[in-house]
Amino acid sequence: KNQVEQSPQSLIILEGKNCTLQCNYTVSPFSNLRWYKQDTGRGPVSLTIMTFSENTKSNGRYTATLDADTKQSSLHITASQLSDSASYICVVSDRGSTLGRLYFGRGTQLTVWP
Amino acid sequence: EADIYQTPRYLVIGTGKKITLECSQTMGHDKMYWYQQDPGMELHLIHYSYGVNSTEKGDLSSESTVSRIRTEHFPLTLESARPSHTSQYLCASSLADYSYEQYFGPGTRLTVT
Repeated sequence: KNQVEQSPQSLIILEGKNCTLQCNYTVSPFSNLRWYKQDTGRGPVSLTIMTFSENTKSNGRYTATLDADTKQSSLHITASQLSDSASYICVVSDRGSTLGRLYFGRGTQLTVWP
Repeated sequence: EADIYQTPRYLVIGTGKKITLECSQTMGHDKMYWYQQDPGMELHLIHYSYGVNSTEKGDLSSESTVSRIRTEHFPLTLESARPSHTSQYLCASSLADYSYEQYFGPGTRLTVT
């Protein structure tokens, strides 16, 4: 069964600290993996997209890694800011259909305290 | 910032009413999607469209219906709202197939009393 599991479910850190969010997936055949940031009451906004051949990708203070062999990804946030408080969603796309089915994780709720 | 818009942003309505959630995008994307999301839960695809006059049901069964008469417009309709329809509804679009980015609208928070 194709699934995306994220950990931790929630995380509280102090402003300025770093953190790492985890994503494990069983989706096959794999097409790409995306990390989205979703602010409360808003739609998700893309942070990174990685294909099979990419094992790291950065977007400012956000760095995503992908290990396609172990089917694991992480999102590292450096020097956290209050505006980083949001839900971070891992999404994996398969290539088994023309639509391109997306499998969503439940997200990690990050809270950054001053 | 993606050019995809949803209205209304918040809606509180009584049981049995007919409602239409609007979604429009100005990016010329062929593919559009409707997702349903409950608090702390993953997004579930309820409808999608490949293009004008093309609509399909998604993975999650929904009593809602959709139409795609114009490329930029993908409204979702509930003929008779029920409390079980209370949820957040997110519209998205993409240029082409699964390898392309999906851009999400801000969502509509629907509460049926």
